[in-house]
Amino acid sequence: QKEVEQNSGPLSVPEGAIASLNCTYSDRVSQSFFWYRQYSGKSPELIMSIYSNGDKEDGRFTAQLNKASQYVSLLIRDSQPSDSATYLCAVNTGTYKYIFGTGTRLKVLA
Amino acid sequence: KAGVTQTPRYLIKTRGQQVTLSCSPISGHRSVSWYQQTPGQGLQFLFEYFSETQRNKGNFPGRFSGRQFSNSRSEMNVSTLELGDSALYLCASSSTLLAAGTGELFFGEGSRLTVL
Repeated sequence: QKEVEQNSGPLSVPEGAIASLNCTYSDRVSQSFFWYRQYSGKSPELIMSIYSNGDKEDGRFTAQLNKASQYVSLLIRDSQPSDSATYLCAVNTGTYKYIFGTGTRLKVLA
Repeated sequence: KAGVTQTPRYLIKTRGQQVTLSCSPISGHRSVSWYQQTPGQGLQFLFEYFSETQRNKGNFPGRFSGRQFSNSRSEMNVSTLELGDSALYLCASSSTLLAAGTGELFFGEGSRLTVL
């Protein structure tokens, strides 16, 4: 089992819809969770971090964490074509390093 | 504030050669971590340096090594290159040690290595 798992996609959503990206992790003592966005040919950039159970909202983005289910998700409301990118889930595990999922490719259709 | 700078951006080597990549972190950041990104494996952690000391290491062979200088600039070296080492190598700087768990990673543009 991979330490951090994501569906590779592509996830296609129409413009204006909600995009839902999911991530599961295996290390129960993981304490910090991050979503990075990576445009094609570019480096990853942080869009959200979450440390405790529940929801965290920042503009059109909402991160959701459920430690009991070892599940973290990212919702993008009012999706725009400019949101088309690969979204990487990263987990700071009990071994104190960041483990990244392989990413979910999101396509927002105009 | 200048971002993370990686050099060279592109390089082509042949099997058996070695390569050195450089990373200059954001001013004031003491943590530099290195990652290998390939289409099949995604971003994989190589190692982290903080205050000139290697703090953590991923599951890579000893051919992959690194160091950090007193100004926080870091280099990674890959010896005896193999075809499978072809990848995008990213470095990331952070204001805190990765073990703190709260630091944001700021990535450089990467060094794309092709091994022929």
